[in-house]
Amino acid sequence: SQQGEEDPQALSIQEGENATMNCSYKTSINNLQWYRQNSGRGLVHLILIRSNEREKHSGRLRVTLDTSKKSSSLLITASRAADTASYFCVEGGGFKTIFGAGTRLFVKA
Amino acid sequence: KAGVTQTPRYLIKTRGQQVTLSCSPISGHRSVSWYQQTPGQGLQFLFEYFSETQRNKGNFPGRFSGRQFSNSRSEMNVSTLELGDSALYLCASSLGDSSTGELFFGEGSRLTVL
Repeated sequence: SQQGEEDPQALSIQEGENATMNCSYKTSINNLQWYRQNSGRGLVHLILIRSNEREKHSGRLRVTLDTSKKSSSLLITASRAADTASYFCVEGGGFKTIFGAGTRLFVKA
Repeated sequence: KAGVTQTPRYLIKTRGQQVTLSCSPISGHRSVSWYQQTPGQGLQFLFEYFSETQRNKGNFPGRFSGRQFSNSRSEMNVSTLELGDSALYLCASSLGDSSTGELFFGEGSRLTVL
C-alpha cells in the first residue's frame, strides 16, 4: 500500500460552493480510496475507485481517476459547513495503508 | 452491526508510566491496524495484525508493542511514556482481504502524557 499526496494542503470556501481536492501517487494501483476525518475523530471511508474506473459518484461526491497521470480528484458539490474536515487519499489494500498529510477543508457558513 | 470500539477514549498518564489501549474490530474482520496521530507528524502507521500475527510494522521504537487475540480484538501497549507520546491513537479494522482494502476506524483513544 502506498501513500497518496493531497493538494492543496488547505482549502477555505463558502457554503454552497464546490470543493476540489487532488491526489497524486507514485506507482500502479489496484484501487484508490478517499477518507474524511472530522477534528479529533476517527476516519470515515468515503469512496473507492478501482483502477479500471475513470469516474465514480456518491451523493455530492465525485471522484475521478487518471492512471496515466497517477492522479485522482475529489469534488464535493454544494458544500456544507458539516463538510469541514480533513480529506485523505490512499491506495487500498488494508495491509499497511499509509496516509499522507491530507487536505484540510474549511467551509464557511 | 457494531463498529470499531476503542477504549479508553481519554486517558492521562505521567512520564515513565505505561499504557494499554484496546480495540475491538467489526465482527468478521481479521485485520487490525494502529495509527498514531499528532499535529506535527500527522497520521503514522504503527503496526497491523492479522490472525494474531503482526504482519506489518511502522517505524516506531520498541516501546510500542501490540498483540491480537483469537477473537481479533487487539491491544497496543506503550511503555516508559514520553511527553511526545501524547497523541490520538486510532485503530482500524478490515477484512484483511486485499481485494477490498476498506478500513473502518474507531473514534480513537486520546492519550495525554504529563
